[in-house]
Formats: sequence, C-alpha cells, structure tokens
Amino acid sequence: NAGVTQTPKFQVLKTGQSMTLQCAQDMNHEYMSWYRQDPGMGLRLIHYSVGAGITDQGEVPNGYNVSRSTTEDFPLRLLSAAPSQTSVYFCASSYYREPYNEQFFGPGTRLTVL
Amino acid sequence: DAKTTQPPSMDCAEGRAANLPCNHSTISGNEYVYWYRQIHSQGPQYIIHGLKNNETNEMASLIITEDRKSSTLILPHATLRDTAVYYCIAIVIQGAQKLVFGQGTRLTINP
Repeated sequence: NAGVTQTPKFQVLKTGQSMTLQCAQDMNHEYMSWYRQDPGMGLRLIHYSVGAGITDQGEVPNGYNVSRSTTEDFPLRLLSAAPSQTSVYFCASSYYREPYNEQFFGPGTRLTVL
Repeated sequence: DAKTTQPPSMDCAEGRAANLPCNHSTISGNEYVYWYRQIHSQGPQYIIHGLKNNETNEMASLIITEDRKSSTLILPHATLRDTAVYYCIAIVIQGAQKLVFGQGTRLTINP
C-alpha cells in the first residue's frame, strides 16, 4: 500500500492564481480530510468528506473548494490564491467506523503564495 | 470536544522513559484521548488512544487517571527518532473525527 499520497510536494503561486492540491489513498478509507499548518502552529481542519459525493466544511474553509467523486481521491482547490494561504497542507484518511478510525496523514504539500 | 493542555516542551535522555502529560479536565464520557506525533515537518502519525483503561501498543503506553481529567503518554525507551511534537486530542470516536490540534509538546531526546 502506498498509503496517503499528496502532489505536488512544493508549489509557488502568484496571488490570484488557482491550483489543485491532489490527495489519494489506497486503503479504501471512507473518511478523508484536509488540514493546513502555519509555522509554529497546530493543524487546522479545512474540509472533510465521509464518502464519495459528501463533503463538509471544517474550521477554516474560506478560499478552498473540495469535491469527492471517488473513494480514493480528495482534491483541494484554491480558487484565487492569497498570501495568507501560504502554509503546509496535509491530507488525511481513515475508516469511518469505530474503533478502526486512526487517521493516516500524507507527507504534505508546501505552498508559498507570493 | 474537550480542550487539552500540554507543556510546550520537554527533554528526555536517550534510553530513558519519556512521560508526556496532558490535562483534559472537561472531557466528557464519550470522548477518547488520542495521541499523535509530528516528526520534523512530516505528516502527523497516530500513536495510541484510550477511553478509561490504560492502553499499550508497540509504540507507547497511555495512562488515564481514574477521573479521566488527565493522562500520560509513556515512551518506555526513548530514542533520538522520538524527537517530535506530540499532540494530545480529546475527541468522540464515532463518525467524522475532526481532529483539533493544539500546540502540543515539543519533546527533545538528548544523547
């Protein structure tokens, strides 16, 4: 199993540009989520999904869109990048049923918005 | 979800047991205590979780007080690779686990 994979590893954008951060998992997990981590801070939840076709907002959803068309993939879209979105983005996945719902995190995407 | 409080940093000598405390005085009856760690800039890694009984796995032990208001994560024989930020999270186990990460404890293992 590859686990949770994220692409790209690094990205530099200019203000106003759009892009999609990719996240995929091969563990057949129902639950997937996106977090951002700013320097010296803990992770904050952006969006999450409990299954294909179902998404919901987390703590800091503004400026981000998500969709979940398959169980495996959960892309995060930045519609118009802003410097405040400079951060490290982590994707996570888990089973949705107890007790097997420890979350597995990807390696992260480091995004800089100029 | 209950708020958790952890010391910002701790040091431990290599080979010794590292004991990381966490306070969760407002934890409710259906909230579990989860521990994750983040090594350098990698994605967080699950360590262990428990409700009210002490738990042990291949990575660590979790001791939860009888009143459930605090817990201690124990790394029995710390190695340099255990240097990381450790997060204690109280969360309901059912359904979508929207993890709330605080500042965590930065554990440094010294040779």
